[in-house]
Amino acid sequence: QSALTQEASVSGTVGQKVTLSCTGNSNNIGSYAVAWYQQTSRGAPKTVMFGNSLPSGIPDRFSGSKSGTTASLTISGLQPEDEADYYCSTWDYSLNAWVFGGGTKLTVL
Amino acid sequence: VQLLESGGGLVQPGGSLRLSCAASGFSFSTSAMNWVRQAPGRGLEWVSSLSDDGFTTKYADSVKGRFLISRDSSKNTLYLRLDSLRAEDTAVYYCAKEVEKRGVYFFDHWGQGTLVTVSS
Repeated sequence: QSALTQEASVSGTVGQKVTLSCTGNSNNIGSYAVAWYQQTSRGAPKTVMFGNSLPSGIPDRFSGSKSGTTASLTISGLQPEDEADYYCSTWDYSLNAWVFGGGTKLTVL
Repeated sequence: VQLLESGGGLVQPGGSLRLSCAASGFSFSTSAMNWVRQAPGRGLEWVSSLSDDGFTTKYADSVKGRFLISRDSSKNTLYLRLDSLRAEDTAVYYCAKEVEKRGVYFFDHWGQGTLVTVSS
């Protein structure tokens, strides 16, 4: 069972806006910024958001936010290439460990 | 930046392996490094981290006492020694570079992974 909770699956059509959520507690998301990782077809994960900042090369249709113990990744103007598994992650000072969410499978219809 | 893992393979329960991660394109000696694994059909699970100076190690409870992380900065290589392997250790093991940007700590680069299969 993951320390962070994500939706198992989310779907949207091309051009739509979708939001993925990641819920933790005061020991993790409540204390630290969250990063989001994209994994397509079981390849290597790729960072698409850290805090509310975009890594270089990631399109600005991706945005991140956090409120209390819940972080969100929003994709505005969904594209077919956005279909992937998305994982949130942060540090947990109680567990003294990096923690991940169980992942959300994003399907572009 | 390139991270290239190697050393995976098929091993019997109770056996051992040593994974390597060859790093290039960045200052390895000033970067904290991590191992993250992914069991077949499952999500990402953090395994271990090692500070840039090599003195501070952290492990997930699931591998504590069985796995050992180390680094050789003269060779720009990160290692993970896996002992007393169990079927549940079967996974793709990724090497990940840790970084701090704008006050956020995260993994900014990942390798392609190496598959470890524990089976008799």
